[in-house]
Amino acid sequence: KNEVEQSPQNLTAQEGEFITINCSYSVGISALHWLQQHPGGGIVSLFMLSSGKKKHGRLIATINIQEKHSSLHITASHPRDSAVYICAAPETSQGNLIFGKGTKLSVKP
Amino acid sequence: NAGVMQNPRHLVRRRGQEARLRCSPMKGHSHVYWYRQLPEEGLKFMVYLQKENIIDESGMPKERFSAEFPKEGPSILRIQQVVRGDSAAYFCASSPGTGDIYEQYFGPGTRLTVT
Repeated sequence: KNEVEQSPQNLTAQEGEFITINCSYSVGISALHWLQQHPGGGIVSLFMLSSGKKKHGRLIATINIQEKHSSLHITASHPRDSAVYICAAPETSQGNLIFGKGTKLSVKP
Repeated sequence: NAGVMQNPRHLVRRRGQEARLRCSPMKGHSHVYWYRQLPEEGLKFMVYLQKENIIDESGMPKERFSAEFPKEGPSILRIQQVVRGDSAAYFCASSPGTGDIYEQYFGPGTRLTVT
């Protein structure tokens, strides 16, 4: 059974800072998701990656399959980045996801 | 190119009533997952459906909960005789079912409040 752990649980940053959120999982997987959720809001899929690195705007996601570890980076953080960031991995080959507890990010102006 | 749609976005039910939550997947997607997010908790898998088939319902409570995905129309998550503990956000995600099977797109969620 796959387990997904994230750190830190809470993160406060000043506007402009470089942010890193970490995710580790216990079983070999084919893909890992990074999701964003604003308070009371829906879930936005930021990345799905199975190897290497992906970049979208100020967001960068990396994955190391051998170490079973992924990171989400935010460059030049902004208050609008304040949200909960969640990593998720397939629990089975059918694709149903198991989720980390989330990292609550607060970016202060 | 519409994304995943869920309705209603907010639903209030009294204890003992029935709740019906609908999920329309993205165009061309034939696979739907339902997830639940209890207050102050993380997301948990409930059920995985393909058109006219329940593939995996291992995360679904054994009583009062059921799900379907008919040949035509949206997927429906049905909760009978709701209790206060059913208050949560319910999200569905759709997947194409071919190609990259781990690709999932989430809907905006239905927030169920049981009074």
